[in-house]
Amino acid sequence: GENVEQHPSTLSVQEGDSAVIKCTYSDSASNYFPWYKQELGKRPQLIIDIRSNVGEKKDQRIAVTLNKTAKHFSLHITETQPEDSAVYFCAAGGGSNYKLTFGKGTLLTVNP
Amino acid sequence: SAVISQKPSRDICQRGTSLTIQCQVDSQVTMMFWYRQQPGQSLTLIATANQGSEATYESGFVIDKFPISRPNLTFSTLTVSNMSPEDSSIYLCSVDIQGLDGYTFGSGTRLTVV
Repeated sequence: GENVEQHPSTLSVQEGDSAVIKCTYSDSASNYFPWYKQELGKRPQLIIDIRSNVGEKKDQRIAVTLNKTAKHFSLHITETQPEDSAVYFCAAGGGSNYKLTFGKGTLLTVNP
Repeated sequence: SAVISQKPSRDICQRGTSLTIQCQVDSQVTMMFWYRQQPGQSLTLIATANQGSEATYESGFVIDKFPISRPNLTFSTLTVSNMSPEDSSIYLCSVDIQGLDGYTFGSGTRLTVV
């Protein structure tokens, strides 16, 4: 089955700096790579996703890049703000069974 | 985007009892997924619930412990049976609205077993 590795497990940045979180996956059949933000006590919220037919997608301060050859994808947050502080999860899947496998998460702290 | 209603939002249960969690979606979906999130951990898929067929369970999860129903395309239930303190977790349902907004999660059920 699919295996997703996520790094780093914790990340602390100063407000205004950029943050990068990286994930690798193992199953070449995976074609869907979403990123979720989970604030304390709340459900995971989809913030951006990318499908295997594109290499990069951007939505305001958030961007995701995908390298299918190397089986890795990354989340980039620019101009970080304190409200970006949360746990971020990457996931991979969407193959024939449509299920997602999640990384272990990254606790992002943005210091004012 | 899909609206998912999940209930109960939380419960405290005695060991040895069972709890049924409900998940209602405002649109028809082919697949519904049940996840478990233990405190401070990631999300682990329990099973995939398809309408009209048996649920597909992931390694480490069995039907006797986590029976699932999927009576129609907008509703599913997950039962946590014969509970022990190790079952204390957040349980979330998720659906995939293909081509719309990806996978969306319900608000979760925070289960504490005492």
